[in-house]
Amino acid sequence: QVQLVQSGAEVKKPGASVKVSCKASRYIFTAYYMHWVRQAPGHGLEWLGWINPNSGDTKYAQNFQGRVTMTRDTSISTAYMDLSRLRSDDTAVYYCATGGTYFDYWGQGTLVAVSS
Amino acid sequence: QAVVTQEPSLTVSPGGTVTLTCGSSTGAVTSGHYPYWFQQKPGQAPRTLIYDTSNKHSWTPARFSGSLLGGKAALTLSGAQPEDEAEYYCLFSYSGARVFGGGTKLTVL
Repeated sequence: QVQLVQSGAEVKKPGASVKVSCKASRYIFTAYYMHWVRQAPGHGLEWLGWINPNSGDTKYAQNFQGRVTMTRDTSISTAYMDLSRLRSDDTAVYYCATGGTYFDYWGQGTLVAVSS
Repeated sequence: QAVVTQEPSLTVSPGGTVTLTCGSSTGAVTSGHYPYWFQQKPGQAPRTLIYDTSNKHSWTPARFSGSLLGGKAALTLSGAQPEDEAEYYCLFSYSGARVFGGGTKLTVL
């Protein structure tokens, strides 16, 4: 069974950056795109982008262009999502998701809280 | 960026049938938007029910089905169960970028 284990909760100040990791196991990491999705408290799902772990190609949501960077380290089967210039409305649970049909498997989520 | 629109809330009686829909600000929804439907219960990660308009995963209950209806993507629940009470989200693809709908809170009452 595919497993995605994300890094722990983070508390950041406005203007800072955060890097969330997503360690994949029990499948070939380069076989499936990795998507990142977030959910602010009491709000809906928001797609941030994807990375192709094989090539490193990325595609980001228009709303996050210039602020989000997705990378991967194939040697340790881990994907990363870096969000810069954090604002209070970036407070959310951030998920990674992957699979043969893209969203089959989800990480447990990482809470990023932005507060002064 | 396109906007995807869902009914904010719907109610269905146990055993009843309900259809949730998703529209796109860019026009009619087609199979080329590769519609997905997700179910999310409180405190849990979303779970994919339907992908590519109408395809089900092995874990998708048979009572859920996906289609295109009147220029929108549709999720039909036939024979609602109490455990189907949840938030439902659709997702469309726009040339590789994805956009979620705002979600539909489904109450089984």
